[in-house]
Amino acid sequence: QSVLTQPPSASATPGQRVTISCSGSSSNIGSNYVFWYQQLPGTAPKVLIYRNNRRPSGVPDRFSGSKSGTSASLAISGLRSEDEADYYCAAWDDSLSGHWVFGGGTKVTVL
Amino acid sequence: QVQLQESGPGLVKPSQTLSLTCTVSGGSIGNPDYYWSWVRQLPGKGLQWIGYINYSGKTYYNPSLKSRLSIPVDTSKNQFSLTVSSVTAADTAVYYCVRGGYDLGMDSWGQGILVTVSS
Repeated sequence: QSVLTQPPSASATPGQRVTISCSGSSSNIGSNYVFWYQQLPGTAPKVLIYRNNRRPSGVPDRFSGSKSGTSASLAISGLRSEDEADYYCAAWDDSLSGHWVFGGGTKVTVL
Repeated sequence: QVQLQESGPGLVKPSQTLSLTCTVSGGSIGNPDYYWSWVRQLPGKGLQWIGYINYSGKTYYNPSLKSRLSIPVDTSKNQFSLTVSSVTAADTAVYYCVRGGYDLGMDSWGQGILVTVSS
């Protein structure tokens, strides 16, 4: 049972937009930055979004992040076949002396 | 560009201690802008943060694993390690060593190492 709640799956056709939600609490998303990670099949995760809505260099602007209260979301617009991957949200949790928490992950399928 | 490489045994017996080392190249483990973390992924499952150590030796651990964990650092070798004691089959996972930036997130990952707990 993950501390951050994500839908297990999402899908859309190429060119469409898909949105992934991430729900937390006041001790994590409500008071700290949200990060998003993309894990392509058979590879290590890579950071996609940092500080709620910022993209590292090299990440296409098709990817965008937002946060409101204790929830966050990742949107992928103009979906492409290479976007088929697992996506995880993460945030620092201030409880119990502090620790990182991840969402359970969302598998995005390009139909 | 920083690179991280995990090393250690791929098979550990139940009740024994799992020990892994991460060798960092292309960057100093003493850099105060970063922390050095371990993340694992159980077979077919999501990511689980294990813990991290920063440049001053301060550690933070996953509360559910804390009693069995240690993350020491060897700055002379630019390495940090992970020990998990009293392992069970539930500790079978791919273990990643990761560099994290406080604002930038976990921005550099090793390739991961599969550790199987079995007799």
